[in-house]
Amino acid sequence: SQQGEEDPQALSIQEGENATMNCSYKTSINNLQWYRQNSGRGLVHLILIRSNEREKHSGRLRVTLDTSKKSSSLLITASRAADTASYFCATGGVAGANSKLTFGKGITLSVRP
Amino acid sequence: ETGVTQSPTHLIKTRGQQVTLRCSSQSGHNTVSWYQQALGQGPQFIFQYYREEENGRGNFPPRFSGLQFPNYSSELNVNALELDDSALYLCASSYKTGGLETQYFGPGTRLLVL
Repeated sequence: SQQGEEDPQALSIQEGENATMNCSYKTSINNLQWYRQNSGRGLVHLILIRSNEREKHSGRLRVTLDTSKKSSSLLITASRAADTASYFCATGGVAGANSKLTFGKGITLSVRP
Repeated sequence: ETGVTQSPTHLIKTRGQQVTLRCSSQSGHNTVSWYQQALGQGPQFIFQYYREEENGRGNFPPRFSGLQFPNYSSELNVNALELDDSALYLCASSYKTGGLETQYFGPGTRLLVL
């Protein structure tokens, strides 16, 4: 079953604009991660935020986490055509135990040149 | 590049057949996880192996089985293939220390069952 629900399902923006993607989840988490997938191939890890963190940055990426609302957002600033991909949020379980990831259905981002 | 490889890239099988998919983890990684991704969906956890022992399983029937070897390679075996098994199969390797671990995904094997 899917844990996360991303919103919107699809997003189309112009190069240079910012892209904001949202994710909501249902159960308590240890961490939340965002992944990118190009053309139905392997997943690339973008960023991980722990349940006791509220915001994290990595290059042009900014992730926020609100555990009270069970939601997270991924902001990509100054988007590029190469950012065109599917983006998934995934929640991680208890550290040290079965560390399975539970993914949402993903967001398709199209960046127009 | 994540350092995780999978073979084959694509595979076509017929219903009822058996298939073995292979994954080579990053050197030193003691954990491998397998996921199934149907078209238009997010990956679904199949199972995880830690130090060659199964360490958790998702909602998949016993005809999905796996092996992990000491040389950082692993296999996913699916018996009695069904049409719904058509999907992208992803393996992910990680190093489990008791803390947070990042999973590094391979490029996947796309399986089509006819």
